[in-house]
Amino acid sequence: QQQVKQSPQSLIVQKGGISIINCAYENTAFDYFPWYQQFPGKGPALLIAIRPDVSEKKEGRFTISFNKSAKQFSLHIMDSQPGDSATYFCAAAGTGNNRKLIWGLGTSLAVNP
Amino acid sequence: KAGVTQTPRYLIKTRGQQVTLSCSPISGHRSVSWYQQTPGQGLQFLFEYFSETQRNKGNFPGRFSGRQFSNSRSEMNVSTLELGDSALYLCASRGSGNTIYFGEGSWLTVV
Repeated sequence: QQQVKQSPQSLIVQKGGISIINCAYENTAFDYFPWYQQFPGKGPALLIAIRPDVSEKKEGRFTISFNKSAKQFSLHIMDSQPGDSATYFCAAAGTGNNRKLIWGLGTSLAVNP
Repeated sequence: KAGVTQTPRYLIKTRGQQVTLSCSPISGHRSVSWYQQTPGQGLQFLFEYFSETQRNKGNFPGRFSGRQFSNSRSEMNVSTLELGDSALYLCASRGSGNTIYFGEGSWLTVV
């Protein structure tokens, strides 16, 4: 049973546009929500992460929006660039014995020049 | 500080053989986890080790096994390889927080 649902599966955006990737989770015990970026031939790398005590976190062009009541969180990439073309994974984890990360299936983002 | 190191990076095996993959975590990290990545299936969690003990296990058959040594280095083994085991195998290490750091993976092709 997949506990983190990620959409869309693939996304094409024009350079300068906004890329939006959404994730929904089921387990209310989750309290850590990271996004990872993976380029071809590389392992995933942490991009940005949020905890449920804030509704938004911004780092440069990347923003996580978090809606605790809806159990949803999303990644916004502003002014998308061709170099942002990668696969993005959302994940969720709890604390203590529930710290195992549960992953979304990934979104393949292509930013056209 | 060196990142997570995985060896070998690429390997080709024949059905029925076994394979051992190695992972050296970031210095000071005691938790190592393994993932299988295939197109369309995302990151499938295999297992996690902490201080030489398996702490979590995913839904993989018993042909997939792992271990961790006292220096936190880890190995995973897949026996009786099947064509469907062809994948990128990723190792990740975790420090004191929830952030995990991935290696670049080992590409396994089973023919």
